[in-house]
Amino acid sequence: GQNIDQPTEMTATEGAIVQINCTYQTSGFNGLFWYQQHAGEAPTFLSYNVLDGLEEKGRFSSFLSRSKGYSYLLLKELQMKDSASYLCAVRLLYNQGGKLIFGQGTELSVKP
Amino acid sequence: DGGITQSPKYLFRKEGQNVTLSCEQNLNHDAMYWYRQDPGQGLRLIYYSQIVNDFQKGDIAEGYSVSREKKESFPLTVTSAQKNPTAFYLCASSKEKADRGNQPQHFGDGTRLSIL
Repeated sequence: GQNIDQPTEMTATEGAIVQINCTYQTSGFNGLFWYQQHAGEAPTFLSYNVLDGLEEKGRFSSFLSRSKGYSYLLLKELQMKDSASYLCAVRLLYNQGGKLIFGQGTELSVKP
Repeated sequence: DGGITQSPKYLFRKEGQNVTLSCEQNLNHDAMYWYRQDPGQGLRLIYYSQIVNDFQKGDIAEGYSVSREKKESFPLTVTSAQKNPTAFYLCASSKEKADRGNQPQHFGDGTRLSIL
């Protein structure tokens, strides 16, 4: 079976740093994606990791440890507009359909 | 501009009725996907297609049907057999290559389906 776990919700303060964790157990692995989804809107792509280590993109960074089945998304200098749901997704191998398996999402609330 | 277009934005279904959700992309992407999202939950895969004229069931295919006659189009039919169709439906596409997994899926704006 496929399983991806994320915290259901988190709260942080404007200007602070927040780390959203994701653990996974899947039958195959061809990369891990993070998406941001504002209420009622489509998810938008944030980051991709396939090798161990940290990928940085402006205020957003994502880390992967394949041996631990673990990733995190780090958001720095939080802004009110960062209030959204953050989805962790694992891509399966091409011969498994190349499908994305999504976690339930972490609802982040940024307070003034 | 290239992108994914879903229509309609809102759709209402009567009892016993089949409804079809449209998804069109002009990104020249090989793969297309349909997801269902219920309130407070993640995305669940209904059907996907890696190439034209071929598609596979996802995790919750019962009560749904699809076709992939053209590369650009992947319509989803919600049949009367789907007893709880009220949800947010998202279509996605990606440039799918066997040796490259780093192509993100791009999403349409979604269709919100409700029961009358």
